[in-house]
Amino acid sequence: DQQVKQNSPSLSVQEGRISILNCDYTNSMFDYFLWYKKYPAEGPTFLISISSIKDKNEDGRFTVFLNKSAKHLSLHIVPSQPGDSAVYFCAASEAGNNRKLIWGLGTSLAVNP
Amino acid sequence: EPEVTQTPSHQVTQMGQEVILRCVPISNHLYFYWYRQILGQKVEFLVSFYNNEISEKSEIFDDQFSVERPDGSNFTLKIRSTKLEDSAMYFCASSTESNQPQHFGDGTRLSIL
Repeated sequence: DQQVKQNSPSLSVQEGRISILNCDYTNSMFDYFLWYKKYPAEGPTFLISISSIKDKNEDGRFTVFLNKSAKHLSLHIVPSQPGDSAVYFCAASEAGNNRKLIWGLGTSLAVNP
Repeated sequence: EPEVTQTPSHQVTQMGQEVILRCVPISNHLYFYWYRQILGQKVEFLVSFYNNEISEKSEIFDDQFSVERPDGSNFTLKIRSTKLEDSAMYFCASSTESNQPQHFGDGTRLSIL
């Protein structure tokens, strides 16, 4: 099941620079996308989401961009901070009463001081 | 900030034994979910629950699995006769509405011997 793909297992960025995490999807029925952050021994923490009727959503240092024609979304973190070091998961769901989340494999972000 | 709580944090069980994983969702949430993550693999949807009944279940959620919301606050996942391949992190999640972000507990690590 490869409906949601995060092709970069890891990313290393200098503190203060931009982190860009990418996610691709194949299911054209997905209409809601979320990014979660996960520290070791903790559950996923919701970061930011975007509906398919938008192409951008911003919350503080975090911005998610959605390109529906390319079936691609990205998470931008500006400026990156050492505390942002974690695994970032992209997840997607289809319209309906259930909205189960389909997950990517995650990208491990390391922000170096 | 309200959070989803899961107990125990780690459960070790002999193969063939029954196990119950417990979750207390956020109090005003109406939609409840169980996911699992086998080491090195993606987070996988198991089951969703709304209005005191299962709204969707995955292929993983076979007759050995059941969920219950016995008292209006707890949400439990029972595995009747555990198998080695049930070893995983099990995450409980809840949301206010189906189209709102799901919030996760810190998980239960289930180890089957």
